[in-house]
Amino acid sequence: KAGVTQTPRYLIKTRGQQVTLSCSPISGHRSVSWYQQTPGQGLQFLFEYFSETQRNKGNFPGRFSGRQFSNSRSEMNVSTLELGDSALYLCASSFRLAGETQYFGPGTRLLVL
Amino acid sequence: AQSVSQHNHHVILSEAASLELGCNYSYGGTVNLFWYVQYPGQHLQLLLKYFSGDPLVKGIKGFEAEFIKSKFSFNLRKPSVQWSDTAEYFCAAEGGFKTIFGAGTRLFVKA
Repeated sequence: KAGVTQTPRYLIKTRGQQVTLSCSPISGHRSVSWYQQTPGQGLQFLFEYFSETQRNKGNFPGRFSGRQFSNSRSEMNVSTLELGDSALYLCASSFRLAGETQYFGPGTRLLVL
Repeated sequence: AQSVSQHNHHVILSEAASLELGCNYSYGGTVNLFWYVQYPGQHLQLLLKYFSGDPLVKGIKGFEAEFIKSKFSFNLRKPSVQWSDTAEYFCAAEGGFKTIFGAGTRLFVKA
């Protein structure tokens, strides 16, 4: 079956702009998690959605937000972009019982100039 | 605070050498533990995971990990590495629908 897909794959924005990233989970998966990956900080948890509800979130400012639709697709939004938001944004999906394996997408590489 | 620490950022080994990557976690409550791997140019993928039961878990490609509760550790091992094991390895702890990853260890295996 098809894996996790993320669009767009690459994005260039300027400071102050806002951006929306999209994630389509594996068919049947109802949980979507988002992560920010940078060379200095590694993988950092942004938030997790299940059945359109955010169940947990990481320590990111309110500029980072997300949502999940009834078909389990998810979007994350970053407003008022800063240079430090340049990163690879990864999405992972799972059935999301406790301890379920997460299946990762290829990521969206965001560059903020 | 929840955290996952990986002991080494970079490891270089020759083929057939034994591997052990250290991982310690700090996580209140019940935690599930994982090792993920990212091969060059590929997505992150699961290597192995621990929920409960036998503290020695076996994963794909000959990898295994041992959960030592008293030491809050979940170290990854492989008795004999191959060139194809060159990758970045991430330890992760999950609880309450939140997964914390370690900083990763880059393994380079010399042929």
